[in-house]
Amino acid sequence: KAGVTQTIKTRGQQVTLSCSPISGHRSVSWYQQTPGQGLQFLFEYFSETQRNKGNFPGRFSGRQFSNSRSEMNVSTLELGDSALYLCASSPTSGGLGTQYFGPGTRLLVL
Amino acid sequence: QKEVEQDPGPLSVPEGAIVSLNCTYSNSAFQYFMWYRQYSRKGPELLMYTYSSGNKEDGRFTAQVDKSSKYISLFIRDSQPSDSATYLCAIISGGSNYKLTFGKGTLLTVNP
Repeated sequence: KAGVTQTIKTRGQQVTLSCSPISGHRSVSWYQQTPGQGLQFLFEYFSETQRNKGNFPGRFSGRQFSNSRSEMNVSTLELGDSALYLCASSPTSGGLGTQYFGPGTRLLVL
Repeated sequence: QKEVEQDPGPLSVPEGAIVSLNCTYSNSAFQYFMWYRQYSRKGPELLMYTYSSGNKEDGRFTAQVDKSSKYISLFIRDSQPSDSATYLCAIISGGSNYKLTFGKGTLLTVNP
């Protein structure tokens, strides 16, 4: 299994992160983890539809494809967006079912 | 007041000790309570979840919920060095527009 990957961007740029769920899982959720705020829920996609959204600005967006793969985009990056971004997949929607997290992508905004 | 408060630790115990990890929450609408474990440089993994007051046991782990006090705990018996990780509580209020809130995590080290 791959470890944490890292990507470095500068302020104002945008970044797109990708997540491939476990085979058969139709739900993909995205999270941001920082030392200050901890783990925060960004949004969940299920069957290509956004099912739920956390309290993040509109610069954070996502989508899900028909094969359940998901992408998260952050536009106009700010220094405070530096964080570990995690995706989790689940066979069911709603946050209750067992979610399987990947190791995440560490985003560093300079 | 934050919706979920968790003592960040760090907590260091000798092998074999009983560990108690705790969270408090403020919103009575929260219905489901979970504990995740996160090893360094890994994503969190679900340990246990429960929705009712009382205790739920799984091997060396016991999750306890006291809804009247808005207090949840995770107990680890006979702690092992392999239990060294960050433990996060997570709480959900149900419904289609569910609200999922995590504690900031407690870093636990079990010393051999």
